[in-house]
Amino acid sequence: GAVVSQHPSWVICKSGTSVKIECRSLDFQATTMFWYRQFPKQSLMLMATSNEGSKATYEQGVEKDKFLINHASLTLSTLTVTSAHPEDSSFYICSARDPGRTGFGPGTRLTVL
Amino acid sequence: GNSVTQMEGPVTLSEEAFLTINCTYTATGYPSLFWYVQYPGEGLQLLLKATKADDKGSNKGFEATYRKETTSFHLEKGSVQVSDSAVYFCALSDRNTSGTYKYIFGTGTRLKVLA
Repeated sequence: GAVVSQHPSWVICKSGTSVKIECRSLDFQATTMFWYRQFPKQSLMLMATSNEGSKATYEQGVEKDKFLINHASLTLSTLTVTSAHPEDSSFYICSARDPGRTGFGPGTRLTVL
Repeated sequence: GNSVTQMEGPVTLSEEAFLTINCTYTATGYPSLFWYVQYPGEGLQLLLKATKADDKGSNKGFEATYRKETTSFHLEKGSVQVSDSAVYFCALSDRNTSGTYKYIFGTGTRLKVLA
């Protein structure tokens, strides 16, 4: 399989605080992990791509200082939303990939008050 | 750039009805095409895929054919069940200039099947 978990599944935070979301590949080692953002009734928008041990590559328009990505091991990547604001409220989905398969996490719903 | 366009939902059908969800794409290269399904509260699951023109992907009674001449990958099922109720995403995967595979998703189509 290609089982991917995310934690937490939902989080509510106050404006100005930072939130960390974890993404884990449970039954395979992910050489590459992706972070997506999904707005209501819209498609998944790729935010960044990270390879284990390397700096993440961010898509155009995504602030790398605001969305910190760490891919510390072959099974774990984290996305930290720093100084969150209401406009950061969204559904964040991670994806993990090895050469033979790709799995998607169940998503994390972030609400910033 | 590459893009995927799929029909807006929601689509509401009665059980055993025929399903078609349209998907068209724009790509500069030769992408692989996918349909993913997202059940409530769960992550995206690969439903089927096709890697080259005229390939037909199939799984769980769903089918889609990679049509290069019409740049389409429409999803079909002959007889839907209530358990098919979910959001369906059409996607393509292609290499970018740095050699990394990237997915581009459509907006998703919500399917609701009534008993």
